[in-house]
Amino acid sequence: AQSVTQPDIHITVSEGASLELRCNYSYGATPYLFWYVQSPGQGLQLLLKYFSGDTLVQGIKGFEAEFKRSQSSFNLRKPSVHWSDAAEYFCAVGARTGNQFYFGTGTSLTVIP
Amino acid sequence: GAVVSQHPSWVICKSGTSVKIECRSLDFQATTMFWYRQFPKQSLMLMATSNEGSKATYEQGVEKDKFLINHASLTLSTLTVTSAHPEDSSFYICSASSTSGPYEQYFGPGTRLTVT
Repeated sequence: AQSVTQPDIHITVSEGASLELRCNYSYGATPYLFWYVQSPGQGLQLLLKYFSGDTLVQGIKGFEAEFKRSQSSFNLRKPSVHWSDAAEYFCAVGARTGNQFYFGTGTSLTVIP
Repeated sequence: GAVVSQHPSWVICKSGTSVKIECRSLDFQATTMFWYRQFPKQSLMLMATSNEGSKATYEQGVEKDKFLINHASLTLSTLTVTSAHPEDSSFYICSASSTSGPYEQYFGPGTRLTVT
């Protein structure tokens, strides 16, 4: 069965520190991969996506993610976190051939001064 | 490009009444639209998938008579919560997929429903 796992429910980092949010997926084929960010009371904002090609993907707000097929992972990284990055982050996978879309359970990020 | 809007952004209604939420794709045609529900501090739960001109496909456990979905055009889908109860209070998010390009869902800003 298809699934998306975000092992870290909550992460706290200091402002200026580096960040890595983990995402693992279980899927029969290489899916499309996405990271979204959600601020409280807001909708989802797309940070980045992977469809094909270079496995290191650059996104908005200084985020990047690396697709590792052998590990079925698509971890999100940022070299220096800003206080405004505090939010909920969702990893998602989408089928290449259909409308299936699967979300992880989310990781809540707290940034301390 | 690929902007999805929702209206209203928040709504308060009395128990027993119905409320309609609109989802529009503003700059593209959406073959398929999706409705999600999100509880506080939880992930998105897919409620239903709708294709223009067809009946919606509901996920298991979602009451189709309570959550009426209409996808009358390639740019508009509506979700009507009928006979709302306080337990229907939630954050409802719609998304739409384009008729062209790699498959991707574009998300609306969400609608906060509070039933009193």
